[in-house]
Amino acid sequence: DAKTTQPPSMDCAEGRAANLPCNHSTISGNEYVYWYRQIHSQGPQYIIHGLKNNETNEMASLIITEDRKSSTLILPHATLRDTAVYYCIVRVDHAYTGANSKLTFGKGITLSVRP
Amino acid sequence: DTAVSQTPKYLVTQMGNDKSIKCEQNLGHDTMYWYKQDSKKFLKIMFSYNNKELIINETVPNRFSPKSPDKAHLNLHINSLELGDSAVYFCASSQGPGLAGGGTGELFFGEGSRLTVL
Repeated sequence: DAKTTQPPSMDCAEGRAANLPCNHSTISGNEYVYWYRQIHSQGPQYIIHGLKNNETNEMASLIITEDRKSSTLILPHATLRDTAVYYCIVRVDHAYTGANSKLTFGKGITLSVRP
Repeated sequence: DTAVSQTPKYLVTQMGNDKSIKCEQNLGHDTMYWYKQDSKKFLKIMFSYNNKELIINETVPNRFSPKSPDKAHLNLHINSLELGDSAVYFCASSQGPGLAGGGTGELFFGEGSRLTVL
């Protein structure tokens, strides 16, 4: 699976949008971009995923560049509860083999939301 | 109504002991996983089972033995515990190992079991 690069940390003010960047310049055509987050002492939580198109759900929006070499996770109105480590992961989805189970977590980016 | 539950949440034990961590999911998923998060916070997959069949077995010492009595349970037994086994162990489940069948490929994680080996 392609490697991702994320800044180690960032902060934003409560109520403002948090834009979390991720670089995946070696991504291949069949690799999806996934975002998870881990709030302190809890298990990781799925946020969103996408292949080529931008995606939005109740938690966040995912913007993937046209060349797919980078993406941005947007939390539109960050709250204090959004303080967490956010992981950007690229993952191949082979046709129903065990290989696609390998969700490989990197160091992630620590988002601190300040009051 | 916890979706993925692990027991115990905390486990403190001596080197050389044998211990087990249990995991149960009530989501009706057919794939379950064990991940290890070490002191540096890296989260690494250890094992994955699909319909009780082992489909991923990473480079893990054979002191670690997963057991899946049914699709809803995946237990982790660790023999001859060592100091380096101290970590947080996370169980997870998903519907299918990937996006086949139109799923999201989303993994649901438990709250973790913190193992401390003295």
